[in-house]
Amino acid sequence: AQSVTQLGSHVSVSEGALVLLRCNYSSSVPPYLFWYVQYPNQGLQLLLKYTTGATLVKGINGFEAEFKKSETSFHLTKPSAHMSDAAEYFCAVSDVSFKTIFGAGTRLFVKA
Amino acid sequence: DAGVIQSPRHEVTEMGQEVTLRCKPISGHDYLFWYRQTMMRGLELLIYFNNNVPIDDSGMPEDRFSAKMPNASFSTLKIQPSEPRDSAVYFCASSPRVGSSYEQYFGPGTRLTVT
Repeated sequence: AQSVTQLGSHVSVSEGALVLLRCNYSSSVPPYLFWYVQYPNQGLQLLLKYTTGATLVKGINGFEAEFKKSETSFHLTKPSAHMSDAAEYFCAVSDVSFKTIFGAGTRLFVKA
Repeated sequence: DAGVIQSPRHEVTEMGQEVTLRCKPISGHDYLFWYRQTMMRGLELLIYFNNNVPIDDSGMPEDRFSAKMPNASFSTLKIQPSEPRDSAVYFCASSPRVGSSYEQYFGPGTRLTVT
C-alpha cells in the first residue's frame, strides 16, 4: 500500500530564507509524486510532479523537488521565500491506477 | 477552460436533511474524484470514477453517502441523512488520461455545515 509522510505540520521561515518541506513516501511500485499547494478557501493546485526521467523537477513559483529513490523522499525547496508563498502544501503519491494518496499537509508561514 | 466547477460553494443544513453536492469536471477529463477535507482527518479520497464508472468507493464513510456520474460532464455526491460530523469541505477533482499526466485539477470546494 502507498503512503505519504510529511514531516512537520507547520514550518515557519523568514522572507528571503530557504524553504524546505519534507516528504517521504512508501510505494511498492515506481511512484508518481506530486506537490500541491492550497491557499485559503481554495482548492489544491499542482506545483510540480515527478513521473519518470529527470529526478530534479522544477515547478511553478520557483519551487523544485528532487526524487531520491534510495531515501524514498521527495522534498520541496525554494531558495528564497516570499510572503505570497504562505499556504498549505501537500505531498502526494500515485500509481497507474490513478488513486492518489495525500499527505497530511504542511502549513508554511513566512515572516516579514 | 473554466476549470472544475462545484456547486453550491456553501451549504448549511440541519441534521437529518438530504444534501446534494454537484460537480462539473473539465471537458475531456476521464477521471473524477471526490474528496473530503477536515482539520482532524486531512484530505480523504471518498470515491473516484473512470469514464463515468465508479472504480473505488472504499473511502465512502457509510451508506449515507452515495455518488453518481450519469454522464461525462456531471457528478453528484449525496448525503442522506446528514449528520453534524459530515461537516467538512468537499472537493471534486478531475484528471486527464493523457500520456503520464496523472495530476488532478481541483474545484474550489463546497463547505458543508450540518447543524
